Amino acid sequence: DADVTQTPRNRITKTGKRIMLECSQTKGHDRMYWYRQDPGLGLRLIYYSFDVKDINKGEISDGYSVSRQAQAKFSLSLESAIPNQTALYFCATSDGGGTNTEAFFGQGTRLTVV
Amino acid sequence: AQSVTQPDIHITVSEGASLELRCNYSYGATPYLFWYVQSPGQGLQLLLKYFSGDTLVQGIKGFEAEFKRSQSSFNLRKPSVHWSDAAEYFCAVGPNSGYALNFGKGTSLLVTP
Repeated sequence: DADVTQTPRNRITKTGKRIMLECSQTKGHDRMYWYRQDPGLGLRLIYYSFDVKDINKGEISDGYSVSRQAQAKFSLSLESAIPNQTALYFCATSDGGGTNTEAFFGQGTRLTVV
Repeated sequence: AQSVTQPDIHITVSEGASLELRCNYSYGATPYLFWYVQSPGQGLQLLLKYFSGDTLVQGIKGFEAEFKRSQSSFNLRKPSVHWSDAAEYFCAVGPNSGYALNFGKGTSLLVTP
């Protein structure tokens, strides 16, 4: 079983709809992240969380919100989806700073907003 | 601000040929550097990482990378490329806010017969 699991793997939604992407991990890591990948732009950080009480905005948080329901669960929501939010979304975890900065990624969620 | 530049968007190599993917970084302190690979339809897998010490780092799948502080570079190399190496490669630097990584835009590798 994957250590970092994202659901759904693929989703098509309509403009204006609310959608939630879910991420769960079995690695026991405190830090969790949501990234967005667009062709030619690499991965950009949307939100990150140190624990259930600590949520922080990343580089491109506008139009997104997150919820850290438990140490193992971190959800990303699009309150009113728009076409330019069509992208590949990745959840990642890490064990902390220093030499534990390595990120472990889920398989990704491909979201299409029509 | 921390940043990563991967100058080559696409690279094509013949199977069996050597490979070098370039990565340049900007970071105010001693960086932690990473190379990840993304196969089609897959997540990102760590190839190798550098934190300190020996500047030549060995990774999985026969890859290695060399940290050159004077050139602010962390280039990825492989002596002989296999068709299965065709993928997207990302260089990353950290730690940044929240100990997140800052990624380059990626290099797409095509391997020809």
